Amino acid sequence: DTEVTQTPKHLVMGMTNKKSLKCEQHMGHRAMYWYKQKAKKPPELMFVYSYEKLSINESVPSRFSPECPNSSLLNLHLHALQPEDSALYLCASSPQDRGENYGYTFGSGTRLTVV
Amino acid sequence: AQKITQTQPGMFVQEKEAVTLDCTYDTSDPSYGLFWYKQPSSGEMIFLIYQGSYDQQNATEGRYSLNFQKARKSANLVISASQLGDSAMYFCAMRGTVRDDKIIFGKGTRLHILP
Repeated sequence: DTEVTQTPKHLVMGMTNKKSLKCEQHMGHRAMYWYKQKAKKPPELMFVYSYEKLSINESVPSRFSPECPNSSLLNLHLHALQPEDSALYLCASSPQDRGENYGYTFGSGTRLTVV
Repeated sequence: AQKITQTQPGMFVQEKEAVTLDCTYDTSDPSYGLFWYKQPSSGEMIFLIYQGSYDQQNATEGRYSLNFQKARKSANLVISASQLGDSAMYFCAMRGTVRDDKIIFGKGTRLHILP
């Protein structure tokens, strides 16, 4: 079992819907991340939550909004998405946000389809 | 800026043979970490192996080894005695510690193991 849990595993939503993706880790990691991955492409960083501070990839549209209720949870709220937002959304965590020898632990991802 | 280059979009290898997946990188950070991840069709990113920029020896993890040539800025992954379950997408990734501490990924190599 992965130590980073993402729910749901699959999600189909309409363009007018509001939905949320959830990510949870119980490893005491201080940093959590959201990545978007299109088919046959590498993951692209969307958001970083580290030490209760949010860092945003400026290319991410405002229809995606992260929320960090506590240090072990990271949600991604979705609103008015477009079909091109269909992708695999990966959550990851790491012990800290600085340090070259701290890799990420990834969740199994949420496959999102926008119709 | 940091950059990871994987020049092999796809590879076909006979089962039980060794396979080398190429990765070159570019960074101005004096300290950095290199990673390899495996992504099967299920979508989960699985950490395979890590190499620190100051490590004197090449990293090994079971059937995986990392051929680290710092002067050439290469970090090739070697899989010995390939198995059918090794068929997946493989990503080389890097994390710096000074200017940009986020993990960036190469474009990946799709590995097909033939029976």
